Amino acid sequence: RKEVEQDPGPFNVPEGATVAFNCTYSNSASQSFFWYRQDCRKEPKLLMSVYSSGNEDGRFTAQLNRASQYISLLIRDSKLSDSATYLCVVPGGSYIPTFGRGTSLIVHP
Amino acid sequence: SQTIHQWPATLVQPVGSPLSLECTVEGTSNPNLYWYRQAAGRGLQLLFYSVGIGQISSEVPQNLSASRPQDRQFILSSKKLLLSDSGFYLCACQGSRDEKLFFGSGTQLSVL
Repeated sequence: RKEVEQDPGPFNVPEGATVAFNCTYSNSASQSFFWYRQDCRKEPKLLMSVYSSGNEDGRFTAQLNRASQYISLLIRDSKLSDSATYLCVVPGGSYIPTFGRGTSLIVHP
Repeated sequence: SQTIHQWPATLVQPVGSPLSLECTVEGTSNPNLYWYRQAAGRGLQLLFYSVGIGQISSEVPQNLSASRPQDRQFILSSKKLLLSDSGFYLCACQGSRDEKLFFGSGTQLSVL
């Protein structure tokens, strides 16, 4: 099993839709989790940290399921500007940040 | 807050030429530093990481090397570039273990 796995998508959704991404991880000792957003040919930028109790920031909600070893990102009321690739980050072996391959989101009018 | 300077933004180099990419960090001390490479349409591949001056760990055997001559300076080098070295190179900084990463703006390298 790969350390971090994400569905690459693309997820093609209309404006206003709700969309959810999952990211599974294999290192059960992982403590810190993050979601990043990456636009084409740009650097990844931190979107949200993922806490055990969940984390909500406006239209974005991140949750952690330790028992099943996955984190999720929920985007409500999708905007055209949400179109991007969403990367999850999990501490891997030796606590090296390990990135998923990313999930591509396309929001259309 | 941390600021990462990475340059150049774009680089076109012939096969067999040398490479030197530099990354400098401001606003933090003794950070963990990382070099990632991203091929077109692919995920981020960790190349090197460093937890301190002169301490370099390599994740993938390859044509590249890294050095950390100062606390906030991280350099990626190659003596002879290969076509397969083309990609988007990203430097990243982490204040300490388990903290979030901050990225430089990246270098798009094309080896022709």
